[in-house]
Amino acid sequence: GESVGLHLPTLSVQEGDNSIINCAYSNSASDYFIWYKQESGKGPQFIIDIRSNMDKRQGQRVTVLLNKTVKHLSLQIAATQPGDSAVYFCAEKGGNTPLVFGKGTRLSVIA
Amino acid sequence: GAGVSQSPSNKVTEKGKDVELRCDPISGHTALYWYRQSLGQGLEFLIYFQGNSAPDKSGLPSDRFSAERTGGSVSTLTIQRTQQEDSAVYLCASSRDHTGELFFGEGSRLTVL
Repeated sequence: GESVGLHLPTLSVQEGDNSIINCAYSNSASDYFIWYKQESGKGPQFIIDIRSNMDKRQGQRVTVLLNKTVKHLSLQIAATQPGDSAVYFCAEKGGNTPLVFGKGTRLSVIA
Repeated sequence: GAGVSQSPSNKVTEKGKDVELRCDPISGHTALYWYRQSLGQGLEFLIYFQGNSAPDKSGLPSDRFSAERTGGSVSTLTIQRTQQEDSAVYLCASSRDHTGELFFGEGSRLTVL
């Protein structure tokens, strides 16, 4: 498939290392946050979400951290694998507003 | 169906022609969303439906863009008199209600020559 973005920030990590992808969100009223993974030629795929009453949530190999004070969200991927190579988007939502997506970060895993 | 289905997956059209893009959401999902993704860009919100009504059309770029949803299920995004800047991947998503996770389709890639 074609690239979803040619000029995205890129994070390159060695296979087996941990990855940290960061996101600054804009709306202090946002109370729901999601990380999506998008592989080339495919639609975004849900990874993990977190609500504003939490500051950390763990899934399988992934952890999301939320710092509401500085409006910062991060996604940590443990033991990064080649299959993790993709573009990662954070998204925020508050009240009845639609989900607003960030610009995305390309993760490249070096085998 | 098991997931969100979009058609066509690829559409090439000439400038000035009208196009229709279709989205079949996950059965039982009341909320349906259209986003646009241009090369090198993130996802741009276009419109969302709750049932058959569209509470938020704020993202539609111009009056050439319209969307409808019938029977609380299938939605059609129509672009009239297409322009080259309309070239993008149009993504549809659905959710159980307007509060949670969105499930995306694979997108319809539109190329306007």
